[in-house]
Amino acid sequence: AQSVTQLGSHVSVSEGALVLLRCNYSSSVPPYLFWYVQYPNQGLQLLLKYTTGATLVKGINGFEAEFKKSETSFHLTKPSAHMSDAAEYFCAVGGTSYGKLTFGQGTILTVHP
Amino acid sequence: EPEVTQTPSHQVTQMGQEVILRCVPISNHLYFYWYRQILGQKVEFLVSFYNNEISEKSEIFDDQFSVERPDGSNFTLKIRSTKLEDSAMYFCASSDTGRGEKLFFGSGTQLSVL
Repeated sequence: AQSVTQLGSHVSVSEGALVLLRCNYSSSVPPYLFWYVQYPNQGLQLLLKYTTGATLVKGINGFEAEFKKSETSFHLTKPSAHMSDAAEYFCAVGGTSYGKLTFGQGTILTVHP
Repeated sequence: EPEVTQTPSHQVTQMGQEVILRCVPISNHLYFYWYRQILGQKVEFLVSFYNNEISEKSEIFDDQFSVERPDGSNFTLKIRSTKLEDSAMYFCASSDTGRGEKLFFGSGTQLSVL
C-alpha cells in the first residue's frame, strides 16, 4: 500500500522568498515520486519526478526536490518564488504495477508581492 | 508535445442519468487511467486499463462505473446512473510504461450532477 502526506494545506510566501512544500510518503515497494502543479481550471502538469538514480531532481520552472529514503520525504523547493508560481501543488507516489499513482491532499501556494 | 485530450470540458447531467466521458490518449501509449478530484479534495485513482482489460480499480469504481476502449484511439468512462456525489473533475491519463513514471494527464472533464 502507498500513501502521501503533504504538510500544510496552504503556504504563503513573499515574491523572491524560498518556497518549501513538504511531502512524506509511505510505500511497500521502491517508490516513484512526483510533484504535479495545477493552475486554476487546468489539468495536472508534471513538475518533476524521481524514479531511480540521483536523489536530487530538478524540474521545470526552477523547482527541485530531494528524495530522502531515511526520512521518507520528497520536499519541493524553489530558491526564489515568482508570482506565477501561485497554484496548487500535489505530491504523488507510484511505482507499483500498472502505474497507479496515489496523491497527497495538495498544498495551495500563494505568492504575495 | 503530444497530449491527452478529454471531451467535453464540462458536462451537466441530472441525477440518475448515464454519462460518458471521453478521452483520446497519446497514440503510442498502452496504459490508460481515470482519476477524479472532488472539489477541495485530493486526486483519487479510479481505474487502470491495459491490454483491453481493467488491471486495477479502486473501491470507488463500483458497478456503476465502466471503462472501454471502443476503437484504437478513444478511452471512455461511463457512469450508468449518476449520483450527486459523482460531481467532480475527472482526469484521463495515459502512459507508455507500466509503472507510471511517464504519466500524461488530460485537462479534465468537470462533471456536475444536479
